[in-house]
Amino acid sequence: NAGVMQNPRHLVRRRGQEARLRCSPMKGHSHVYWYRQLPEEGLKFMVYLQKENIIDESGMPKERFSAEFPKEGPSILRIQQVVRGDSAAYFCASSPDATGVTGELFFGEGSRLTVL
Amino acid sequence: QKEVEQDPGPLSVPEGAIVSLNCTYSNSAFQYFMWYRQYSRKGPELLMYTYSSGNKEDGRFTAQVDKSSKYISLFIRDSQPSDSATYLCAMGETSGSRLTFGEGTQLTVNP
Repeated sequence: NAGVMQNPRHLVRRRGQEARLRCSPMKGHSHVYWYRQLPEEGLKFMVYLQKENIIDESGMPKERFSAEFPKEGPSILRIQQVVRGDSAAYFCASSPDATGVTGELFFGEGSRLTVL
Repeated sequence: QKEVEQDPGPLSVPEGAIVSLNCTYSNSAFQYFMWYRQYSRKGPELLMYTYSSGNKEDGRFTAQVDKSSKYISLFIRDSQPSDSATYLCAMGETSGSRLTFGEGTQLTVNP
């Protein structure tokens, strides 16, 4: 039973380029959460999505960042015109229902973005 | 002021020691409390979960919540080198969809 799958595991981009991070939730899970972990900081909530819907994007920067979870395929976190401050580990988590705060979140191994 | 405060350590103990990890919080709306363990270069995994004040025990691990003091703890008995990891406290509100994490405490258990 595969866990949460994230790819790429490592991504290097130059300033101004675009980064796309993908997340396939655990089988049977339809709720996806994205968190960012900056060096020496804890995990910070970014966005919560269900299939084809953004439920809570209050943690997303207002510009350059977007997320989607289409009916078919993985959830994608997209960062346009990356800057050095975007360098971080981006973690995706999934849950079988809306238990993001009352139950267990299953995390992937993260995608580590480095912006040169 | 951060909503959740956690001493980042690092904390180094000998094998067999009792480890105490702590977090304080300021948001009275937090009702759910968790401890996650994160090995180096891996994703966090849930270790303990509780929603009420008091103690919860699972093997060598005990989670303690004191809502009146806004203080939670994780105790590890008979610590093992395999416990070496970063421990993250996390909290959630009943009506919210996000978890608020502490900064994490890096623990090393020396054989």
